[in-house]
Amino acid sequence: RKEVEQDPGPFNVPEGATVAFNCTYSNSASQSFFWYRQDCRKEPKLLMSVYSSGNEDGRFTAQLNRASQYISLLIRDSKLSDSATYLCVSLGTGRRALTFGSGTRLQVQP
Amino acid sequence: DGGITQSPKYLFRKEGQNVTLSCEQNLNHDAMYWYRQDPGQGLRLIYYSQIVNDFQKGDIAEGYSVSREKKESFPLTVTSAQKNPTAFYLCASSTTGDTQYFGPGTRLTVL
Repeated sequence: RKEVEQDPGPFNVPEGATVAFNCTYSNSASQSFFWYRQDCRKEPKLLMSVYSSGNEDGRFTAQLNRASQYISLLIRDSKLSDSATYLCVSLGTGRRALTFGSGTRLQVQP
Repeated sequence: DGGITQSPKYLFRKEGQNVTLSCEQNLNHDAMYWYRQDPGQGLRLIYYSQIVNDFQKGDIAEGYSVSREKKESFPLTVTSAQKNPTAFYLCASSTTGDTQYFGPGTRLTVL
């Protein structure tokens, strides 16, 4: 079983829609979680950090459920520019390196 | 400008060659990391360094080597022992633990 698992998608949604991605993690000792956004052939860029129960930044809301070991990302009022791959990431203890999910691809259509 | 730079952007390697990928940061971050990304997959950790003159193997270190002689620099050498080196290589840095910031990456292709 992968340490961080995501539905690869693609999620095809119309502009203005609300879309949600889920991510599950297997290491209960993971301390922090992040959502990164990656555009095609580019480096990942930090979208949101998820430290405790959740975090909200404009149209984006991230939730963490430690009991069920999943993280979610909600995008409201989708824009064409939101089209990208969204990477779910956990930060473990010890070596402080990130563990990445394979990503969920979002395509927002006009 | 503060940030992380990687060079070259594209690199072509012949069979049996060693190549070195550059990663430089001027963010004054202590920790630096190297990841590899294959198509349709997440990033996998190759090596990391939390302080100058010290580095640790990640999950897929075989066929790679690194050095950390300066805080700003963390070069990665892909040796001939790495059998499938074609991939997108990403360098990242962070303050001790926590949020990592990525360079623009190097695409390595074996001819």
